[in-house]
Amino acid sequence: KAGVTQTPRYLIKTRGQQVTLSCSPISGHRSVSWYQQTPGQGLQFLFEYFSETQRNKGNFPGRFSGRQFSNSRSEMNVSTLELGDSALYLCASSSGQGRFETQYFGPGTRLLVL
Amino acid sequence: AQKITQTQPGMFVQEKEAVTLDCTYDTSDPSYGLFWYKQPSSGEMIFLIYQGSYDQQNATEGRYSLNFQKARKSANLVISASQLGDSAMYFCAMRETTGANSKLTFGKGITLSVRP
Repeated sequence: KAGVTQTPRYLIKTRGQQVTLSCSPISGHRSVSWYQQTPGQGLQFLFEYFSETQRNKGNFPGRFSGRQFSNSRSEMNVSTLELGDSALYLCASSSGQGRFETQYFGPGTRLLVL
Repeated sequence: AQKITQTQPGMFVQEKEAVTLDCTYDTSDPSYGLFWYKQPSSGEMIFLIYQGSYDQQNATEGRYSLNFQKARKSANLVISASQLGDSAMYFCAMRETTGANSKLTFGKGITLSVRP
């Protein structure tokens, strides 16, 4: 099976712009979770989508949003970018139906905000 | 209080030797899952091993094993016969059943360097 894919891999934006990141889960997986990784804060959970519905949300401002399509692909959007949004954004997929199932991660999108 | 604590500074190990990476956790949930991930410099998080809180046996996956001590709330990763390709960041993570049921809570990570 193909793994989790994320596009783009690298992105440079300026403050105030918005950005959309894409994630394609492993075939058959219906849950997609997003995480932000920064040197200062480490890995932080953004949100999780399951069957096109947001099932869980982390403690991030409303500028961070996401959605999931019927084919389980997911996008996350960050509006009005700030310098502090520079990070590695990781998405992870799982079947979404097990209590402690493993989440499999994609290669990430490195976002740099100037 | 931190949910997952990884306090070791950068770790160094000689190739072919074994190394233990420490992880302690904090939860009041009787049922939880513990995970270890490896993150090379490329950035991708690679799943290594999983331990359920009710599992009687310590988990093993090839060269990776998990030294699970439930009473001490520790879940240390043991890598046997280290290889140069094991040089990476290693993260311990936990998933609990209460609250955010799909959320993984990660530790700060440990940098492992394998010397030839």
